[in-house]
Formats: sequence, C-alpha cells, structure tokens
Amino acid sequence: QKEVEQDPGPLSVPEGAIVSLNCTYSNSAFQYFMWYRQYSRKGPELLMYTYSSGNKEDGRFTAQVDKSSKYISLFIRDSQPSDSATYLCAIKVTGGGNKLTFGTGTQLKVEL
Amino acid sequence: DVKVTQSSRYLVKRTGEKVFLECVQDMDHENMFWYRQDPGLGLRLIYFSYDVKMKEKGDIPEGYSVSREKKERFSLILESASTNQTSMYLCASSFFPHTLYQETQYFGPGTRLLVL
Repeated sequence: QKEVEQDPGPLSVPEGAIVSLNCTYSNSAFQYFMWYRQYSRKGPELLMYTYSSGNKEDGRFTAQVDKSSKYISLFIRDSQPSDSATYLCAIKVTGGGNKLTFGTGTQLKVEL
Repeated sequence: DVKVTQSSRYLVKRTGEKVFLECVQDMDHENMFWYRQDPGLGLRLIYFSYDVKMKEKGDIPEGYSVSREKKERFSLILESASTNQTSMYLCASSFFPHTLYQETQYFGPGTRLLVL
C-alpha cells in the first residue's frame, strides 16, 4: 500500500463547477499537508499548506484535513479554464526533515 | 522571486552514457532535492542535500549519484544511463523555515530525459 493515495483522474468539469480533489494517507505521523499545482511542462508550485484538522481558505481554494480519517481534500470554487493542471498532495512527517511524500497527482481539465 | 533553473529541458542519451543534470537556485537555500516523476508513480525522491558537500539518499537512489560543491548548485549524475531511467527529473530547493510547518519546496521546470 502506498503511503499516499490519490486518484489520477483525469477529471473533466465545466467552467464554474466546484471541484473536489482528494488524498488518503496511511502514516499517522504525517502532520503537515500541502497541495501543489503543476501546469503542463512546468515544475510543481505550492498552492496551499496546513498542519491542523479543519479548513483553510485562500480565495477560491479551500484545503481540508481530517486527521481522524487520514483524508485531505482541496476544493476549488468557480473553477476556471486556467485551473486546468495536475494537482499533487504532499505530506510531511513531524521531525522528518524536509522530506515530502507526494501523491501521484490528479489531472484536472476545466472546459469552457 | 525564487528561481530554480535546470540545465536542459530535453535530453536524449544512449544506454551506458554518463549523464549530468545540473540545478541552480538563486535564493541561498540550504536544502536541495532531486526527484523523478513518472506517470502513475508521482514524484519520487532520489537524493537530497542539507548543505554543501552533504547528501542523503532518498527513496530511489540506485543508479544515481549527486554532487553539491557549492550551495547554489546540485548535480544529479547517472553513472551509466539505462532505459528505465527515462523520466522527467525535477530539482527543488527550500530554506530552513522559521516555523516547523512553514515549508515550501520551489521546483525547477524539469528535464525530460530519454535514454535510448
């Protein structure tokens, strides 16, 4: 079993839809949670990070963590074609140095 | 703006060749990382470095080595390239954060390596 599981998609939605992207993880020691966005032919860039259970909002993006279920989500409201990218969750262990464990990424396409 | 640059965007090499992938960051970051990215497998850590002349194995170091002679530069070396090393290679850097969770890895654009 992989430490971090993520549905690879592809996920196709119409413009304006609410998008839900999810990851599950198996290691309870994971404490810090990040979402990266990767456009085609580019490196990943950090979108959001959080370390506590609950929701964190940033504009149209909301990151949600449920540590009891080992489940993290990224919601995108009013999705735009410019949101079309691959979204990767990344998780870090407390005291584990700066090593991140990444999900495989979910490919999202927002259609006009 | 943090900038991480990689020496090549695309590279074609033959089996058995020695391959050098170079990465340079301009923000005086202590930490540097090399990943490979493959469909269905995501990003996998090959090697990382916390300081000059220091290196640590990641999850898949076999067939690779690294060099960090200067703080801003981190090189990945494929001693004898094989076809199963065809992949996208991504370099990243980060700084020691003031708070434990305030961690951001900044990625370069990647090098697509094809080994024939």
